Order: sequence, then structure tokens, then C-alpha cells
Amino acid sequence: DAKTTQPTSMDCAEGRAANLPCNHSTISGNEYVYWYRQIHSQGPQYIIHGLKNNETNEMASLIITEDRKSSTLILPHATLRDTAVYYCIVDRGGSNYKLTFGKGTLLTVNP
Amino acid sequence: DAGVIQSPRHEVTEMGQEVTLRCKPISGHNSLFWYRQTMMRGLELLIYFNNNVPIDDSGMPEDRFSAKMPNASFSTLKIQPSEPRDSAVYFCASSLKVQYSYNEQFFGPGTRLTVL
Repeated sequence: DAKTTQPTSMDCAEGRAANLPCNHSTISGNEYVYWYRQIHSQGPQYIIHGLKNNETNEMASLIITEDRKSSTLILPHATLRDTAVYYCIVDRGGSNYKLTFGKGTLLTVNP
Repeated sequence: DAGVIQSPRHEVTEMGQEVTLRCKPISGHNSLFWYRQTMMRGLELLIYFNNNVPIDDSGMPEDRFSAKMPNASFSTLKIQPSEPRDSAVYFCASSLKVQYSYNEQFFGPGTRLTVL
């Protein structure tokens, strides 16, 4: 039973913002939203995570709706190197070793 | 920092042979994870160590798979005997587990295993 739903693929023009949606309607109060990405032939890479407040770091911004049933990862100025599979993962904090990766969204950044 | 180091990067073997995959976690990290990635099943957690002790091996497919972590800087994943369905990319990841905070996992480059 998947905890998250993501589009299979998305396209974005280089230099534009990429907005990747994720639905997690069954999220529990103690569960966080994590985002990882996997560039072709590489291991996954952590991007950002959040509980209920919006978060921003040097890579991206995470916008979580007030009811926490969905979120959006924003890459403000996408580059060709951002082409990757993006995974939205919902899991509890603390001993959060159980990262369960779904199929993710293949983001293709076009020149 | 060199990041998580895995060896070999590619391994081709014949069915029935023993395969050993190796991982050196990031220095100072106390948690280590082995994952397997295939087209059919995606990325799956096989086993998780904390302070060199296996905490959760529920993802290990069967008795043919075993993992060890003799010290904080080295881990192995062994498959004996190997089968064609074991063909996959195997990733090792490490993190610094600190209570009450999220600890991102750092992944290695993976070992692509092909069993003929």
C-alpha cells in the first residue's frame, strides 16, 4: 500500500521552476515528508524534508499544504543536471531508517 | 570526504558462484544500509546496521544472502550461491544516527551485479 502518489514523469524548461507534486492523503501526525532524487546511474541523494512548515535549503523548497495531505517540491531554476527521478517518501521521524522508495517522478529538464 | 565507497563497481559472475560486495561508509557514521534496485521492484532496503549491529534484516530475500559489519568502517554483502534473479544494482548508504533528529542517508555509487 503506497503512502505517496506521484506523477510518472514531468518536463521542465531549463531555467524555469520545476514543481513536483506529491499526494500523501493518509499521512499521520508524526510522519515527515522526505524528498530524495536519483540521477541516472548514481545512488539516491537527499534533497529536503519537512513536517508541516514550508522548508527551504540550497537545493529546493518544500511546500506542504495545511492539511498535510499533499506537498510540492520546487526547484527554483532547473538545470539540465536536475534531470533525475524524484522520490517523495512519507515516514515517521526518529528512527527513520525505513526509507520506502516508490516509483518516483522522472523529471526531464529540456534545454 | 570521499563519500561512501563501494567495490566492485561492476561484477559479472555465473550462476552458483559466490559474490561479495563491499562497502566503506563515511567516516564517523554509525548507521549503514544495503539496498537493492531492479526495474521490477525498484529500490528496496535489504538490511540496516546501527553501531555495527544488524537491526533489521527483514528485507534480506533469503538465506543465500548474508551481510556483516565487522567494524565501523567496513561491511560486506554476500550472495552464495548466486542466481540470475539476483542481478541488480546494490547500493550501500550510511548516516549519522542522532536521536530526535533526521539523519539523511548518503548513498554510494552502487555495484551493478550481473549473474549469468
